Amino acid sequence: GNSVTQMEGPVTLSEEAFLTINCTYTATGYPSLFWYVQYPGEGLQLLLKATKADDKGSNKGFEATYRKETTSFHLEKGSVQVSDSAVYFCALSSTDSWGKLQFGAGTQVVVTP
Amino acid sequence: GAGVSQSPRYKVAKRGQDVALRCDPISGHVSLFWYQQALGQGPEFLTYFQNEAQLDKSGLPSDRFFAERPEGSVSTLKIQRTQQEDSAVYLCASSLGTREQYFGPGTRLTVT
Repeated sequence: GNSVTQMEGPVTLSEEAFLTINCTYTATGYPSLFWYVQYPGEGLQLLLKATKADDKGSNKGFEATYRKETTSFHLEKGSVQVSDSAVYFCALSSTDSWGKLQFGAGTQVVVTP
Repeated sequence: GAGVSQSPRYKVAKRGQDVALRCDPISGHVSLFWYQQALGQGPEFLTYFQNEAQLDKSGLPSDRFFAERPEGSVSTLKIQRTQQEDSAVYLCASSLGTREQYFGPGTRLTVT
């Protein structure tokens, strides 16, 4: 079946540091890939997405590239802020599943001033 | 416009009680999903509606879980005879077809 694996947290960084969160997936066909973010006390929000191989999703300074050859969708940001402290979830949606999302376990990111 | 809303936000139930969790999707969204998120884990799919039709209930963990969306708008997730392992955050999401899903704030269920 489909699955998503992402690096465990917490990831603790200083402000302006470079952030990478690794995500790999297993799926049949050509899934769509997503990063969701959950800020403290809030619901899940879509951060970015990519629907086909080599697509790059970007938003709020975050980027992720859909790499089919390595089945990966790593999230990166060049310079994090304290306000980026949150839990980040990698997810996929396969073409035969009504759009339902399969999530990774989440990675908590803590950015200190 | 208004986002997805869920009620109650918090629910404490004694083991064996029945609970009902409500989801109000974004107006016009035909697709509605329920997910269960255990502490420290990612959300797990429970069930999916397209309008009033429940097209996938493969994620419901037992026959104590039941969901409905009778008029293709508001949905209710019901859990009968709650058990401690049912303690989790229950998330509802809606979308236009298979496009981007918008999530509600969730209902945190604690079974004592």
